[in-house]
Amino acid sequence: QVQLQESGPGLVKPSGTLSLTCAVSGGPISSTNWWTWVRQSPGKGLDWIGEIYHSGNTNYNPSLKSRVTISVDKSKNQFSLKLSSVTAADTAVYYCARARHFDSEGIYYCDYWGQGTLVTVSA
Amino acid sequence: SSELTQDPAVSVALGQTVRITCQGDSLRSYFPSWYQQKPGQAPVLVIYGNNKRPSGISDRFSGSTSGNTASLIITGAQAEDEADYYCNSRDSSGNPALFGGGTKLTVL
Repeated sequence: QVQLQESGPGLVKPSGTLSLTCAVSGGPISSTNWWTWVRQSPGKGLDWIGEIYHSGNTNYNPSLKSRVTISVDKSKNQFSLKLSSVTAADTAVYYCARARHFDSEGIYYCDYWGQGTLVTVSA
Repeated sequence: SSELTQDPAVSVALGQTVRITCQGDSLRSYFPSWYQQKPGQAPVLVIYGNNKRPSGISDRFSGSTSGNTASLIITGAQAEDEADYYCNSRDSSGNPALFGGGTKLTVL
């Protein structure tokens, strides 16, 4: 059973950089899956941030692309999110998830999710 | 367009059938995945691909797609089905992936 666990500071100052890590257990991160970050502002819907493959290939939400970096550490079986120049609008619960792509069949889904971690942007 | 549109709220009487819809151009190329989210919890995948259910998901949940509209169908809704539901897919016009705005399901 794959499990994901987010970790990182719960409070970030405005204009700072939000940094989170997602530890993957129950399977190698170097499998044929993509590793994804999703966030949810308080009382709002889900917002797809971006994803990474174990090779280092990434895809980002165009609306966040200039501020987001997702990286992978295969030796630690984990992947990370950095979001720069944060504002109060970046306050959200951040989830990591495993995504599966089968583009030739038109299939995409996230089957395993972490429990989420709340990050508040405030001075 | 790079959007998935859902009705904000839907209600259903206990034991009845409800359809939650998701509209978007990307659904002409990609099957949607559907997630159930209860307050304070992470989303849970309930439907993916061509009407496939992950292990452990009730067969009350099913999905269908026609053109640019996808539906999550809950047959014989139960009180525990009350939750927010989100659709999700890849986007053929450049946005790698996106979620619908979510539908709050109330079971009466």
